[in-house]
Amino acid sequence: DAKTTQPTSMDCAEGRAANLPCNHSTISGNEYVYWYRQIHSQGPQYIIHGLKNNETNEMASLIITEDRKSSTLILPHATLRDTAVYYCIVRVANSGGSNYKLTFGKGTLLTVNP
Amino acid sequence: SQTIHQWPATLVQPVGSPLSLECTVEGTSNPNLYWYRQAAGRGLQLLFYSVGIGQISSEVPQNLSASRPQDRQFILSSKKLLLSDSGFYLCAWSKTGIHTEAFFGQGTRLTVV
Repeated sequence: DAKTTQPTSMDCAEGRAANLPCNHSTISGNEYVYWYRQIHSQGPQYIIHGLKNNETNEMASLIITEDRKSSTLILPHATLRDTAVYYCIVRVANSGGSNYKLTFGKGTLLTVNP
Repeated sequence: SQTIHQWPATLVQPVGSPLSLECTVEGTSNPNLYWYRQAAGRGLQLLFYSVGIGQISSEVPQNLSASRPQDRQFILSSKKLLLSDSGFYLCAWSKTGIHTEAFFGQGTRLTVV
């Protein structure tokens, strides 16, 4: 799976949009971008994933650049409860062998301030 | 709906004692199962994953082992705990298929003293 690079930490004001970047310059054509978050002392929570088109769900939006070498997770109106470590993961969408596993990096600690 | 149960929530064990953490999934069949560990201030480390009963893949050689005696049961074990085994242990499951997010349990915080 391609390696990802994320900033160590970011701050955001409550009510404002939080934009979390992720670089994955070695991504290959069959690899998807997944985002998870982990609130302190809890298990990670799936947020969203995408291949090349922008995606939106009730939690967030995912913007993937045309060359697919980077992406941005957008929380449109951040709340204090969105304070968490956000993980960007690139993995092959293939149901065989070791492709089932998820490999988490260190992620970005997003702190939403009142 | 699917649920994942992991217990106990916290555990304090002396060095050299055995360990058994259990994880069960309800509401689905033939899930992929995972054990992760998160040491204090560190990222998530994949320890084991399983794609079926009796099929265990180890990611990191260590003092731990895993077993899958039933389709929806995943057990993490150790014969003799080390201080370095302390951490936050997370069980997760995902469906078989190409677009599968993983669902995590609430974790077990293990402190080896």
